[in-house]
Amino acid sequence: AQKITQTQPGMFVQEKEAVTLDCTYDTSDPSYGLFWYKQPSSGEMIFLIYQGSYDQQNATEGRYSLNFQKARKSANLVISASQLGDSAMYFCAILNSNSGYALNFGKGTSLLVTP
Amino acid sequence: DVKVTQSSRYLVKRTGEKVFLECVQDMDHENMFWYRQDPGLGLRLIYFSYDVKMKEKGDIPEGYSVSREKKERFSLILESASTNQTSMYLCASSSPGLAGRTDTQYFGPGTRLTVL
Repeated sequence: AQKITQTQPGMFVQEKEAVTLDCTYDTSDPSYGLFWYKQPSSGEMIFLIYQGSYDQQNATEGRYSLNFQKARKSANLVISASQLGDSAMYFCAILNSNSGYALNFGKGTSLLVTP
Repeated sequence: DVKVTQSSRYLVKRTGEKVFLECVQDMDHENMFWYRQDPGLGLRLIYFSYDVKMKEKGDIPEGYSVSREKKERFSLILESASTNQTSMYLCASSSPGLAGRTDTQYFGPGTRLTVL
């Protein structure tokens, strides 16, 4: 079964600094996809970035980048130049091939950006 | 832009009531999902559907059923609401892929259900 572990329940970062949110995963699928979502206090899950297991390069989307280390089974999210609006819960997720490609989510990391 | 809408942002029901949560997507996605989110437990899959009239149980289907009569609409039904079903309910949709980016799920705004 696919599993995601996020070991940081909460993180603080100062505005304009970079921050790394950790994510490790476990899967027996030879091909898999990893996702990061942001959930502000309003509740909506917002897709941030995707990394495929066979992608040659680490994914980037604007200020978001993924530090993908396949051998270590880690897919850490890096947010550069943090903004106050980045304060939210962040979830790492992996595709579950046994459930119609639903997502298995980690427990999330709460990020607080301070002025 | 993909849009997924849910019928209510907040809902308060009484124990024993039958509750319908509606979800509609406008991107012609084949796959639709219902999750519930609880503090400390994260998101858990209740049911999913990969085609009209098709449905599959997720990890926690007990006490729930679903209906998908049209491709764009996926309904979650609480047959007899109980207090332990107080939760945040999130609907999502995606296109079928091969474990690729096209499997990206897009979520609705969520429904915060309280059962008294």
